[in-house]
Amino acid sequence: DAKTTQPTSMDCAEGRAANLPCNHSTISGNEYVYWYRQIHSQGPQYIIHGLKNNETNEMASLIITEDRKSSTLILPHATLRDTAVYYCIVSQSYNTDKLIFGTGTRLQVFP
Amino acid sequence: GAGVSQSPSNKVTEKGKDVELRCDPISGHTALYWYRQSLGQGLEFLIYFQGNSAPDKSGLPSDRFSAERTGGSVSTLTIQRTQQEDSAVYLCASSLVPRTSGGASTDTQYFGPGTRLTVL
Repeated sequence: DAKTTQPTSMDCAEGRAANLPCNHSTISGNEYVYWYRQIHSQGPQYIIHGLKNNETNEMASLIITEDRKSSTLILPHATLRDTAVYYCIVSQSYNTDKLIFGTGTRLQVFP
Repeated sequence: GAGVSQSPSNKVTEKGKDVELRCDPISGHTALYWYRQSLGQGLEFLIYFQGNSAPDKSGLPSDRFSAERTGGSVSTLTIQRTQQEDSAVYLCASSLVPRTSGGASTDTQYFGPGTRLTVL
């Protein structure tokens, strides 16, 4: 199973772009990269996912390197409400979709 | 539309008692997952349901833990003879369809707010 590596914590000024990196050097060809976040005392919230192409939705953009060994989640204009733990997850086995959460990156957005 | 709901939101129990935690998935979602998150820890997978069957129970920590799902909808996680180390937030998630075997398709899991279990 592929594993991910993320920085423990990051800070970002409100209104600036937050760029959260993730390394997944052992990712397999048909494994997706998922991003979730968990705001304090809430359940994880889905943000975005991708296979090999860059993706964008109303919440964020996901940039995946050509070799797929790393990715970056971009929050274009961070707000105080984006303060959360962000999890980068590589999807697992063929037979279940269970998500293996690591320790994630604690993003602190400051005024 | 309605998301995943869980009840109770908080449960305090005494060591040795049995508890039942309930999850109502998003309507029409065939896959349902239970996770737990101990204080300061990451999320830990417990069990996965496809319909009413559980093809993956690999995360259940002991035989005191069991889960069932009826009518392809509501699921109940039961913990018997609770211990203090069972204290955690228990999270439920559902998805429309699971990934097909060998395929690269997948579907997003949506989480409920969790049940905070405290064993005294």
